[in-house]
Amino acid sequence: EPEVTQTPSHQVTQMGQEVILRCVPISNHLYFYWYRQILGQKVEFLVSFYNNEISEKSEIFDDQFSVERPDGSNFTLKIRSTKLEDSAMYFCASSEYSRAPYFGDGTRLSIL
Amino acid sequence: SQQGEEDPQALSIQEGENATMNCSYKTSINNLQWYRQNSGRGLVHLILIRSNEREKHSGRLRVTLDTSKKSSSLLITASRAADTASYFCATDGISEGAQKLVFGQGTRLTINP
Repeated sequence: EPEVTQTPSHQVTQMGQEVILRCVPISNHLYFYWYRQILGQKVEFLVSFYNNEISEKSEIFDDQFSVERPDGSNFTLKIRSTKLEDSAMYFCASSEYSRAPYFGDGTRLSIL
Repeated sequence: SQQGEEDPQALSIQEGENATMNCSYKTSINNLQWYRQNSGRGLVHLILIRSNEREKHSGRLRVTLDTSKKSSSLLITASRAADTASYFCATDGISEGAQKLVFGQGTRLTINP
């Protein structure tokens, strides 16, 4: 069964450093997403991406965040200057038109 | 804004018993989905029920949807130890294309052998 893959599984970064989380969505999917889950809290929507541009973003997705699809297969989330409160699990997801998203296993981001 | 909220927050039952988890939401939806999350892992899609459906089955899973009460339930029959996980409902709005999901807090289900 096709799956969304995310790398790395765990990223440890010093506060203030830039971090890039990587995702390979399912190949025939057109819609891409990032969600995050702070430990013990609910999963929160960050951003959706379609046709090489952001289609929707949440209040969490401020100027420190950016997304990119640098080639035909990868989808990345960049946090420019990390803060302690950015520590969370970050989930990438992809979907076909109006279909349920498939999620990756997530990247655990720890900011020290 | 719409919001999925599950109850109970935690449920502990004996293996072989049935587990029922409930979810409520606030605004009109297109679909409601249930996901499972094993500890430290990603979200596994279990079942999707559309707003015009009332009940759906998949193996040992049964989902109901009552749009008049804005609520859904997930029933797992004949539970197994491997069903131990957190279960989340997620709703999406009436839109086409990208499906922005709003998740509830989840129910932590523990199946005791």
